[in-house]
Amino acid sequence: EDKVVQSPLSLVVHEGDTVTLNCSYEVTNFRSLLWYKQEKKAPTFLFMLTSSGIEKKSGRLSSILDKKELFSILNITATQTGDSAVYLCAVPNFGNEKLTFGTGTRLTIIP
Amino acid sequence: NAGVTQTPKFRILKIGQSMTLQCTQDMNHNYMYWYRQDPGMGLKLIYYSVGAGITDKGEVPNGYNVSRSTTEDFPLRLELAAPSQTSVYFCASSPGRGMNTYEQYFGPGTRLTVT
Repeated sequence: EDKVVQSPLSLVVHEGDTVTLNCSYEVTNFRSLLWYKQEKKAPTFLFMLTSSGIEKKSGRLSSILDKKELFSILNITATQTGDSAVYLCAVPNFGNEKLTFGTGTRLTIIP
Repeated sequence: NAGVTQTPKFRILKIGQSMTLQCTQDMNHNYMYWYRQDPGMGLKLIYYSVGAGITDKGEVPNGYNVSRSTTEDFPLRLELAAPSQTSVYFCASSPGRGMNTYEQYFGPGTRLTVT
């Protein structure tokens, strides 16, 4: 059965700090890994990674995949209070119709 | 382009009542999903569909039913509501083809309380 494990479960930092969120996975027939941000409402898509070692970047957020070690990291630099959210990692299942989600990392930014 | 819309936003049900949660997407996506999210927990897949007329069970299908008569609509039916079904329900869709096959777009959610 496919598995996605995120760490830490929660993280509290001060505004301006840099954070690194981790996602490790065990999946049959890996296709891609996706990151989502969930504030108080529905998850919103951040990144999809398919190739090892290639960084995806959007503003202060960046993510990279290591297919050999089966993990991905999401970095957020110069954090702001608006970055407070739960960050979810997901991988498509073997049949590719479904996503297996991790339980998420709850990030809290203190002003 | 509204994306994925869900109705209602909130609902309180009594034990044993029935209701249908509506979900519509206007992106011509093939795949649609229903998730539930309990407080402080991750997303659990209830049912999913890879196209009109095709549905399949996810992790937690008991107590729910779905149908997919059109590409756009994917309603979720609760027949006999139980307190354990108190949760936030999210509908999602994804293209199911091409480079963005797995990128799921979520609706705003329905907060359901069963008392």
